[in-house]
Amino acid sequence: DGGITQSPKYLFRKEGQNVTLSCEQNLNHDAMYWYRQDPGQGLRLIYYSQIVNDFQKGDIAEGYSVSREKKESFPLTVTSAQKNPTAFYLCASSIPRIGNSPLHFGNGTRLTVT
Amino acid sequence: QQQVKQSPQSLIVQKGGISIINCAYENTAFDYFPWYQQFPGKGPALLIAIRPDVSEKKEGRFTISFNKSAKQFSLHIMDSQPGDSATYFCAASMGSGGYQKVTFGIGTKLQVIP
Repeated sequence: DGGITQSPKYLFRKEGQNVTLSCEQNLNHDAMYWYRQDPGQGLRLIYYSQIVNDFQKGDIAEGYSVSREKKESFPLTVTSAQKNPTAFYLCASSIPRIGNSPLHFGNGTRLTVT
Repeated sequence: QQQVKQSPQSLIVQKGGISIINCAYENTAFDYFPWYQQFPGKGPALLIAIRPDVSEKKEGRFTISFNKSAKQFSLHIMDSQPGDSATYFCAASMGSGGYQKVTFGIGTKLQVIP
């Protein structure tokens, strides 16, 4: 089955530590995205990538970094500079250049930083 | 700046009733309006979507009504069932180069009681 796999499902870290969230897709989509979900705030875009070796900041990129070395993979690093990292993180992908198309989401990683 | 306003934030409906969620947008450049359904611990999944040249789209028990002049759109769930209990996000999207620029509403938590 084609889809997006995010791992791990739950992640716990101490404050001050960097942590990397994994996102892998086998949908052959060029575009990939990272969203952050907080109660009452909807989904906010952190980073997006249109193609391998290219990525752009979204609305709330501060304290985060990404890489896109392979089409299938788009890992997100939450750095110690992110002031409020505890959240539910969602990775998504879409088919670009075919009008507007829906986002396909993974099942998320819940990060708790104490 | 919240470009897509969604209401209500929570909704309780009796089984068999009609659930109605409303959204309003500001940017007339949006040209695709999807609704996503999210169950606890899962990622959102596309439920139904509409383009602005259509005033209504129906898929089974789910209907989107779209009012371009008022810049409003709504989701109607007919004969609501307990299995419909989830969080619903409206979104507005525009193509931007090779990716979808998607703005989400804050979400509506729907509970359908037997």
